[in-house]
Amino acid sequence: GNSVTQMEGPVTLSEEAFLTINCTYTATGYPSLFWYVQYPGEGLQLLLKATKADDKGSNKGFEATYRKETTSFHLEKGSVQVSDSAVYFCALFPNTGNQFYFGTGTSLTVIP
Amino acid sequence: GAVVSQHPSRVICKSGTSVKIECRSLDFQATTMFWYRQFPKQSLMLMATSNEGSKATYEQGVEKDKFLINHASLTLSTLTVTSAHPEDSSFYICSAREGGMGNQPQHFGDGTRLSIL
Repeated sequence: GNSVTQMEGPVTLSEEAFLTINCTYTATGYPSLFWYVQYPGEGLQLLLKATKADDKGSNKGFEATYRKETTSFHLEKGSVQVSDSAVYFCALFPNTGNQFYFGTGTSLTVIP
Repeated sequence: GAVVSQHPSRVICKSGTSVKIECRSLDFQATTMFWYRQFPKQSLMLMATSNEGSKATYEQGVEKDKFLINHASLTLSTLTVTSAHPEDSSFYICSAREGGMGNQPQHFGDGTRLSIL
């Protein structure tokens, strides 16, 4: 079946620290992988995506590489800001199917 | 970019009330819309898939008579929580898929915080 396992939070970092949020998946076939971000009181926004193995998605300083050999899609950012404080969801969309599968979300708080 | 508008953003009402939540795609046609529910500190759970002009497809365990979905046009889907009770309190989020490809990213609304007293 399809599932996403995501690093549990909450994560608290100081400003300019390095961020890694781990995400691994189980899927049949070759899914597309996504990271969504949910700022306080708002809905989900697409942060980045990768549609095939070895693709790297990037946006706003965040990066994630689709690793088929380790079935992972870890989110990284070299220097976090207070404005990055949010909940981050890893998700997959199977190449055959009609729905997203989300991880449980990781809450990130960045302190000045 | 594509925008999905969800209304209302917050509802507080008494037990037994029915609540309607609207989800609109503002600048694209959405043949398919999705309704998710998010419990505190948990992930989004798909409740149902809404297809324009046909009956919604509900996920296992979701009561179709409790959560009525209507997708009357290519830009509007509604979720009605009938006779809501405190256990229905949750964060409900809709999303709409642009285009016909199955792997197009879904665009999400800002969500509706439903609190039943």
